[in-house]
Amino acid sequence: GAVVSQHPSWVICKSGTSVKIECRSLDFQATTMFWYRQFPKQSLMLMATSNEGSKATYEQGVEKDKFLINHASLTLSTLTVTSAHPEDSSFYICSARGLSSGRRDTQYFGPGTRLTVL
Amino acid sequence: GNSVTQMEGPVTLSEEAFLTINCTYTATGYPSLFWYVQYPGEGLQLLLKATKADDKGSNKGFEATYRKETTSFHLEKGSVQVSDSAVYFCALSGDNFNKFYFGSGTKLNVKP
Repeated sequence: GAVVSQHPSWVICKSGTSVKIECRSLDFQATTMFWYRQFPKQSLMLMATSNEGSKATYEQGVEKDKFLINHASLTLSTLTVTSAHPEDSSFYICSARGLSSGRRDTQYFGPGTRLTVL
Repeated sequence: GNSVTQMEGPVTLSEEAFLTINCTYTATGYPSLFWYVQYPGEGLQLLLKATKADDKGSNKGFEATYRKETTSFHLEKGSVQVSDSAVYFCALSGDNFNKFYFGSGTKLNVKP
């Protein structure tokens, strides 16, 4: 149980285009989903926290107009990188926190999406 | 505030050697503690967790004990395998579970 999927697993796009990444909790409902960015050989950097039906909370230094987050249901959150540039190339990972008492204190991670902007 | 400190890697061991990866933390309140593992090109997988002092989390031969007196959550395994080669992250949950604090990760290389 507690499976989180991401789609796509990798994407290559041209500079100036927008890219949407989906994060789904497959076998549980997630009150809260998180989006992280990971640079090579580094730890995860939290970008934003999203709760179903409300606006995402962005970490300091993360541009909310560039990284649009939508959490439309208890099983789906999307991250859209708008007007992508090469410096946005990175590994993006989402995670989800469950509703039930056994899953409320744990984040379950997706497999990640490798974004390369040419 | 909350933070996690892990030993720096890489850690290189021979197969069947004993593994310890140190993790210490600072926290307000009573956090839950976690170890996650990341294989190359993949996301993080929950390895084990402990929710209160003196709890021992265990999975796949790995174990870690929540030590409040030393604010530590060291990861151990008695006999590592080549397939254990990965990056290991220690983490704690704070702020009513809405925020995770990760260590910097420790890369483990196990040689045959």
